[in-house]
Amino acid sequence: EVQLVQSGAEVKKPGESLKISCKDSGFYFTNYWIGWVRQMPGKGLEWVGIIYPGDSETRYSPSFQGQVTISVDKSINTAYLQWSSLKASDTAMYYCARHYSSSSSPEYWGQGTLVTVSS
Amino acid sequence: DIQMTQSPSAMSASVGDRVTITCRASQGISNYLAWFQQKPGKVPQRLIYASSSLQSGVPSRFSGSGSGTEFTLTISSLQPEDFATYYCLQHNSYPLTFGGGTKVEIK
Repeated sequence: EVQLVQSGAEVKKPGESLKISCKDSGFYFTNYWIGWVRQMPGKGLEWVGIIYPGDSETRYSPSFQGQVTISVDKSINTAYLQWSSLKASDTAMYYCARHYSSSSSPEYWGQGTLVTVSS
Repeated sequence: DIQMTQSPSAMSASVGDRVTITCRASQGISNYLAWFQQKPGKVPQRLIYASSSLQSGVPSRFSGSGSGTEFTLTISSLQPEDFATYYCLQHNSYPLTFGGGTKVEIK
């Protein structure tokens, strides 16, 4: 069974950095794409970006380009979403999700990581 | 970017009703359209992929149709567990974009 396990909830102050993770329990981590989706409180789903662990090819939504960094560590089947300087507006639930290919929709989702940024 | 316009944004329906939700793309996306269901406090679940293919394990009362710019999710007979928010997602080109969501509430 495919499982994406995300890191736990975080509470941070504005200006702090953060890296959240998404670990794939499967055997073929480098064969699929891992995407990230944001959901602000009470709002809809927004696509952040996607990475191919095989070669770290990455695509970002223009809305998030330069605001976050998506990376991967193939040796431990883990993808990351990171911020260098958090803002209060980054407060949201963040989901990772696995795509079969670069042109497919996400089929398997992580449980979500709640990020709260507050002074 | 491709804009996805989903309608209605909210609706009230009764158990047993036939429900139709529509997504319009701002440009043609072939059949690169998926539908997701999200219940409060839960992870989104894919219902439909490639516009009309039913995700394994999803009840057959859910169906999808459309190609190009207009797409429809239909629930043939609404069940109590179907009260949720539904989202479409285009994955024809980057950036992927979601519709704004349709909240289906109990009448």
